[in-house]
Amino acid sequence: AQKITQTQPGMFVQEKEAVTLDCTYDTSDPSYGLFWYKQPSSGEMIFLIYQGSYDQQNATEGRYSLNFQKARKSANLVISASQLGDSAMYFCAMREGPSGTYKYIFGTGTRLKVLA
Amino acid sequence: ETGVTQSPTHLIKTRGQQVTLRCSSQSGHNTVSWYQQALGQGPQFIFQYYREEENGRGNFPPRFSGLQFPNYSSELNVNALELDDSALYLCASSLQGANSPLHFGNGTRLTVT
Repeated sequence: AQKITQTQPGMFVQEKEAVTLDCTYDTSDPSYGLFWYKQPSSGEMIFLIYQGSYDQQNATEGRYSLNFQKARKSANLVISASQLGDSAMYFCAMREGPSGTYKYIFGTGTRLKVLA
Repeated sequence: ETGVTQSPTHLIKTRGQQVTLRCSSQSGHNTVSWYQQALGQGPQFIFQYYREEENGRGNFPPRFSGLQFPNYSSELNVNALELDDSALYLCASSLQGANSPLHFGNGTRLTVT
């Protein structure tokens, strides 16, 4: 079974609009972390935002926010006021495992295209 | 602050050969992990090193091996290369803390012919 599922292979959004990229996860560990990364066409992976499983509040980093619904095991990324430079692949990732032996699992990604 | 650097950027090898990829961690980071990213896919976790020991491994065969050095730099070695090993290999460094994000290098593009 997929541990990280991103059901949207591709998304379009108009410049200056908000967009939500979906991510669901599956783990039996009570302690885990959820991350979102951006990968432009240049190939580098850029860290965007982190949510810990025990965090009470949804994480925010500038125009990025994470809609964390623990009971539903979802961790959707919301990008507000989209910019042309936001066009890229976006990966949801989960860190699981006991301290000192973490493993990171990535989803298959969502390709976002921002339209002018 | 120096970021994660990987070398070489591109490499072409023949099936059956061996390859070594190198990674320098971001300054202050003590943990390094390696990922294989096939075209159009998400990164797949190969293994992680902390204090020069492997402390996590994904579903990769033993011909994928690695090292971490005292300065936290790392190598990924792949023996008996197969065509399916063609991919982007990403190195990431981090701290051991639970909320420490991975900081990636730009990757090495390996092509096996």
